[in-house]
Amino acid sequence: EAGVTQFPSHSVIEKGQTVTLRCDPISGHDNLYWYRRVMGKEIKFLLHFVKESKQDESGMPNNRFLAERTGGTYSTLKVQPAELEDSGVYFCASSQDRGSNNSPLHFGNGTRLTVT
Amino acid sequence: GNSVTQMEGPVTLSEEAFLTINCTYTATGYPSLFWYVQYPGEGLQLLLKATKADDKGSNKGFEATYRKETTSFHLEKGSVQVSDSAVYFCALSDQGGSYIPTFGRGTSLIVHP
Repeated sequence: EAGVTQFPSHSVIEKGQTVTLRCDPISGHDNLYWYRRVMGKEIKFLLHFVKESKQDESGMPNNRFLAERTGGTYSTLKVQPAELEDSGVYFCASSQDRGSNNSPLHFGNGTRLTVT
Repeated sequence: GNSVTQMEGPVTLSEEAFLTINCTYTATGYPSLFWYVQYPGEGLQLLLKATKADDKGSNKGFEATYRKETTSFHLEKGSVQVSDSAVYFCALSDQGGSYIPTFGRGTSLIVHP
């Protein structure tokens, strides 16, 4: 079984540019999550999809961030325009069922975004 | 709201030393508690979990006991190996409220031969 895959693994862009991150969850996992870790700080929740619907987007920092999951398969997270404080590692995770007690999250390797 | 506090790192140990990484939490409900590990170049993996008070989670020689009275879930291992070098994240999931895991800031462990 393929795990959660994220692309690209690294991205370096200039302030004001646009970047799109992609996440392919484990096949059959309806739940998809985006998290972000700024250097040395907590892994912060961004949003949660159930299939193609946004279940919870309370962690999205502002309207420069747009997440989509058309068709309920892979997801994209676009940052436009990027700012310096957007730098960090963006993690995607998926799970079969809602909740992590009996359905743990499976994480991708993350995308390291550097905005210069 | 929910929060997780971990000890600051990096923690640097020699091989076969005893490891403790402290974790305390604040939760409005009755959470489940987790430790995730991130090895270099990889994503986070679930290491162990505990779902109720006094439960002990264990895996790969690591253990953590759910202590409701002290709101703690400290990670321990009796004899660390170089291959244990990684970043360890404590997390909670409030099953009665938001089920989405809340993570700590991570503690980097470096084990020298």
